[in-house]
Amino acid sequence: QVQLQESGPGLVKPSQTLSLTCTVSGDSISTGSHYWSWIRQSAGKGLEWIGRIYTSGRAHYNPSLNSRVTISVDTSKNQFSLRLSSVTAADTAVYYCARDRGSIPVAGYFDYWGQGALVTVSS
Amino acid sequence: DVQMTQSPSSLSASVGDRVTITCRASQRISTYLNWYQQKPGQAPKLLIYDASRLQSGVPSRFSGSGSVTDFTLTISSLQPEDFATYYCQQSYSIPTTFGPGTKVDIK
Repeated sequence: QVQLQESGPGLVKPSQTLSLTCTVSGDSISTGSHYWSWIRQSAGKGLEWIGRIYTSGRAHYNPSLNSRVTISVDTSKNQFSLRLSSVTAADTAVYYCARDRGSIPVAGYFDYWGQGALVTVSS
Repeated sequence: DVQMTQSPSSLSASVGDRVTITCRASQRISTYLNWYQQKPGQAPKLLIYDASRLQSGVPSRFSGSGSVTDFTLTISSLQPEDFATYYCQQSYSIPTTFGPGTKVDIK
C-alpha cells in the first residue's frame, strides 16, 4: 500500500520560505517508475499543480510559480521536498504531495495522495 | 495553459439517480483527462484516468467518456457515499490543470 505523508511548519511569515517534506512508503522513489508532485488547494484558486520531480532530480515547475519554487529529492530517505520562497497570504493553502503517473512530455494523473498539510501565511 | 471548465458547478440529486458531470478543455487534449472525487477534509481520490479507464478499486457505477475537448463523468446510480465534489484534470500538457469542481449534494 503506497502512502505519502507531508510534514513541515503550519505557519509561515510573509516574505519567508515555505518548506515541506513528503515521506513515501510502500514505493521507492529511486526505482524511477514515477514522478512525484506537489499540488496545493486554496479557496481562491482551487487545485493548482506546483511541480514534480524525478528520481534523477530533474524537476518541472508550474510557470506561474517557477521563479519561487524548488523541489528536491532525497532517495536515501525516500522523501521529496518543496521550497516556496517570498510567500504572501495568497500562498495560504492545503499542500498535497502525490505520486505522478506522467512521463515526458505529458503530465500525469495522481493515483496516491498525502492527507494534506495546511500552511497559513501570516505575521 | 489549458483551461478546464465544468458544468454544472453544483447539483442536487437523490440516492439512485443517474448523475452526469461535464468537463470541457480549452484546447484539444485527446483522452488525457482524469476525474477525482473529494470529500471534506480529505485529499482527492482518483476515479477515472485517460478519459475512460476505471482506477483499481473504484466501483463500476462510475464511468467516463469523451475525447478531444468534451468529456463526461457518469454515476449510474448515486449512492450515499458519492456525495462529494468532483474535479477533472487534463494531463495532456504541462502545467497540468484542474477544473473548478462540481459539488454533488443531497436533494
